[in-house]
Amino acid sequence: DIQMTQSTSSLSASVGDRVSITCRASQRMSSFLNWYQQKPGQAPKLLIYAASNLQSGVPSRFSGSGSGTDFTLTISSLQPEDFATYYCQQTYRTPYTFGQGTKVEIK
Amino acid sequence: QVQLVQSGADVKRPGASVKASCKASGYTFTTHRIHWVRQAPGQGLEWMGGINPSGGTTTYAQKFQGRVTMTSDTATSTVYMELTRLGSEDSAIYFCARVSIVGTADFFDFWGQGTLVAVSS
Repeated sequence: DIQMTQSTSSLSASVGDRVSITCRASQRMSSFLNWYQQKPGQAPKLLIYAASNLQSGVPSRFSGSGSGTDFTLTISSLQPEDFATYYCQQTYRTPYTFGQGTKVEIK
Repeated sequence: QVQLVQSGADVKRPGASVKASCKASGYTFTTHRIHWVRQAPGQGLEWMGGINPSGGTTTYAQKFQGRVTMTSDTATSTVYMELTRLGSEDSAIYFCARVSIVGTADFFDFWGQGTLVAVSS
């Protein structure tokens, strides 16, 4: 199985900050990497697919980059509604594994 | 608009089975696979497997092989996930999600609201 590691389990940031969340895969997987946002009591929401493609309707302050084993989700200017947990997911091969999640909290 | 509406919460005894449903609307049911992901209380997301409603082909995580069965009913645009021999570790919210593809890249673009399953004696 491909292991996905989000080394930061939580981070504190302020509104307006630039925030980067990283995800590392245990083997190379091209760009088969997605990012989801989850708020308490809600289902996950797709933000970025195939490493760098912004899902329709998602604000442009979200961006994704990376290929191979190392990927990054960047929020250019953190907004109050962005405080949530973020998960990466690989869909290179089954099982489609997720990272452990990174919780973005208010500083 | 695309919607996935899941069945309500359920409480089961250890050793029992649960069958959750996921009714799709707003798109052609047979053109997208449906996958299931679960989330234990306070934990992360765990992929369980998926089904192609066009033909019924399934793929399951090895962890659940032998205990999970996913089926689809094209007449009602509904996918079902049955999990047997439940233990306390199966207490979780179970989400269904629609799979879309760009090129060869899968992603889960729409999600159901989740079905809470509690396993307790």
